[in-house]
Amino acid sequence: EPEVTQTPSHQVTQMGQEVILRCVPISNHLYFYWYRQILGQKVEFLVSFYNNEISEKSEIFDDQFSVERPDGSNFTLKIRSTKLEDSAMYFCASSESGVGQGRGEAYEQYFGPGTRLTVT
Amino acid sequence: QKEVEQDPGPLSVPEGAIVSLNCTYSNSAFQYFMWYRQYSRKGPELLMYTYSSGNKEDGRFTAQVDKSSKYISLFIRDSQPSDSATYLCAMSVQLGSNYKLTFGKGTLLTVNP
Repeated sequence: EPEVTQTPSHQVTQMGQEVILRCVPISNHLYFYWYRQILGQKVEFLVSFYNNEISEKSEIFDDQFSVERPDGSNFTLKIRSTKLEDSAMYFCASSESGVGQGRGEAYEQYFGPGTRLTVT
Repeated sequence: QKEVEQDPGPLSVPEGAIVSLNCTYSNSAFQYFMWYRQYSRKGPELLMYTYSSGNKEDGRFTAQVDKSSKYISLFIRDSQPSDSATYLCAMSVQLGSNYKLTFGKGTLLTVNP
């Protein structure tokens, strides 16, 4: 069964360093998302991405964050200058289509296993 | 008032019990309702999806949506130890051509053999 994959599974970095989290969405999916989950808290939306541009971003997704689809398979989240409060699980998700397009099931979001980011 | 509220539990039941998990929401614009299961330190796994009021059944799982009360439920029949996980409700509004999910905090369920 196709699945979303993420690398690395765990990243430790020092405050102020740049990190890049990588995701390979399901191959026929066109919509991509990043979420994060701080330990013990809710899963929170960060950003959605379609057709090589950001569709929507949350208040959390400030100028230190960026996303990119550098090739036909990878989707990355870059944090330019990490802070202690960026420590969290980061989940990538993808969906086949957007709301109002295709079958109802086609815009279901499938999540990867996550990257645990620890900022020291 | 929080957009999505979910009792975090923990909830502990014996094997074979019927489990009821619930969420309430305040945003009447939510149109799509999902239940995800999350094992410890893993990504959320989609269990059920619905966009209308009423019930939807899939094996031992039944999702129920009451838009008039802004209340959704997930029922698990004949619960198994393998059902032990955190269950997250998630909701969305349309946002252009795609959508973001707003999650509840999750309910930790333990099914004891």
